[in-house]
This record gives sequence, structure tokens and C-alpha cells, in this order.
Amino acid sequence: AQKVTQAQTEISVVEKEDVTLDCVYETRDTTYYLFWYKQPPSGELVFLIRRNSFDEQNEISGRYSWNFQKSTSSFNFTITASQVVDSAVYFCALRGPYTGANSKLTFGKGITLSVRP
Amino acid sequence: DTAVSQTPKYLVTQMGNDKSIKCEQNLGHDTMYWYKQDSKKFLKIMFSYNNKELIINETVPNRFSPKSPDKAHLNLHINSLELGDSAVYFCASSQDRPSGGEKQYFGPGTRLTVT
Repeated sequence: AQKVTQAQTEISVVEKEDVTLDCVYETRDTTYYLFWYKQPPSGELVFLIRRNSFDEQNEISGRYSWNFQKSTSSFNFTITASQVVDSAVYFCALRGPYTGANSKLTFGKGITLSVRP
Repeated sequence: DTAVSQTPKYLVTQMGNDKSIKCEQNLGHDTMYWYKQDSKKFLKIMFSYNNKELIINETVPNRFSPKSPDKAHLNLHINSLELGDSAVYFCASSQDRPSGGEKQYFGPGTRLTVT
């Protein structure tokens, strides 16, 4: 069975602080895919990144960076110099390598990030 | 153009009623999903259809019946609504490939409130 754990439930930071959102996953698949989605107060789910299990390179996109470590089954997300617009719920999700019945996304419980001015 | 659209965006109804939520995607994807987000923000798969065939049915009460008239549409019909059905329902789609793992595109969500 697949499982995603986001142990942090709520994080509050002051603008311009760096913040790291943790994600730990469990799967028996050797090939799998990890995702981060953002849910701002408006409610939609915004895709941030997709990473497959064979690509352990860290990725940076502007103020966002992701650290994938297979050895610790973690896929952490760092926001540098946070801004008020980063306030949202952030979900980490896991998906297997298959189509069909195993194509579902398994989500963590989400981390509510509040960035104060 | 909206990639995945849902109607209505808000739905308020009384217990015992029957209601439907519609979802359409214009991405040409062959797989569509319904997810439920509860009051604690937890997101969980309900159903998945691939080319109009039911693929995933995750122990959802049989009061919920998905219907896919074609691969661009996946509707969700709910009979005898209960208070516990209040949630946000998200439709999503993806283009499955043999390797799997494709990104899912989500609709804007439908907030269902049962009173």
C-alpha cells in the first residue's frame, strides 16, 4: 500500500523567511512518481512539480526548490524568501507506475502555510 | 480555455435530495477521476474512469454513482444526500501512458453543502 506522511500540519512564518515543507512516503514500487500541489485560499489545486523515482536531482524553480532523497523516502519542498502569496495548503502526493487501478494519487494530509507580512 | 471544468461550483441542498455534479475536460485525456476533500482538507480518490470504463471504485457508498457518457465527461450523481456528504469534490483528468505516473489536471472543485 502507498502512504504519504506530512507530519507538519501548520507552519507560520514571517515574510522573507525560508520555509521547508516535509514529505515522507512509503511504497513497494521501485518506480513511482511524487508530486506537490498547492491549494491557495481560492480552493483550486495547482500543480507544482512531478518527480519520478529514478530522477534524484534536486530541482529549483525560482524561489521553490525540491529535495528528493530515496534513501530516506523523502521529497521535501523549500520556499526561499517566502511571500504572503505563498500562504496556502501544500499537498505532497504519490502515484504508482501503472495505469488503470493504480493510477490514483495518494495524498498526504497537507500542510497549511501562513506567511505573515 | 478551461482545461477541466466542473458545474456547479457551489451546491447547497437538503438531506435526502438527489444531486449531480458535472465534469468536462478538453485536454483529450482518456482517464478521469473524482476526489473528495473533507472538512479537514484530506483528499481521497473516489472513482476513476478510463475510456468510459470504471477502473477505480474506492469503497464509496453506492449512493454515489459516476457516469461517463464519453471520455471527455465524468459526472457524479449522489442519491439520498447525507450531512456527511458535505465536502469539496474535485474532478481530474490525465493521459495515461504504459509507464504510468502522468500528472493529473484538476478542476476548480464543487463545494457541496448538505443541510
